[in-house]
Amino acid sequence: GAGVSQSPSNKVTEKGKDVELRCDPISGHTALYWYRQSLGQGLEFLIYFQGNSAPDKSGLPSDRFSAERTGGSVSTLTIQRTQQEDSAVYLCASSWTGNQPQHFGDGTRLSIL
Amino acid sequence: GNSVTQMEGPVTLSEEAFLTINCTYTATGYPSLFWYVQYPGEGLQLLLKATKADDKGSNKGFEATYRKETTSFHLEKGSVQVSDSAVYFCALSDQGTGNQFYFGTGTSLTVIP
Repeated sequence: GAGVSQSPSNKVTEKGKDVELRCDPISGHTALYWYRQSLGQGLEFLIYFQGNSAPDKSGLPSDRFSAERTGGSVSTLTIQRTQQEDSAVYLCASSWTGNQPQHFGDGTRLSIL
Repeated sequence: GNSVTQMEGPVTLSEEAFLTINCTYTATGYPSLFWYVQYPGEGLQLLLKATKADDKGSNKGFEATYRKETTSFHLEKGSVQVSDSAVYFCALSDQGTGNQFYFGTGTSLTVIP
């Protein structure tokens, strides 16, 4: 597509439920990044994919968070047993390769009640 | 390790005022440096970049020079407009650390007529 597409744009769920966030990167971009942006905070790096592999998972805040990427394209970020502190905007970005300027999606605003 | 430190906001300026947003970095290798901008209600987008020392990135009247001796990449604009009101993020990417991007906490700019 023309840009990075994320879905859903908004998600409200109850504490304890699992959520799945989707990112569809720009066609041909091999690098894909997930970030979390909390209110009044900067961007918190979560995970980076090069192709289908994730050489850097160091940013995932707990084992409730996982991500995968299949076919070198779409990626999903899954949060299990959500907690209120998981409420944030989750941003996805892609680039041709690592170290190149990233193109961001509009994010998924996640609210945990 | 790698990190980015940005001047804290919020910053409020009158139209046509001179803007400087300070950014300093720490890097283990030879990073590329970026400024991203997030306009209200929109996703992050690349504003400008510089890939090596003494490079100057420029776009939309904004400039930033990669200063290795002071490890800085300050953003400047000679005459701001109301439409420049946004949050500005400084970032670095270092191939030596697996192409992870490191973002500053963002600086909110409001330009008043």
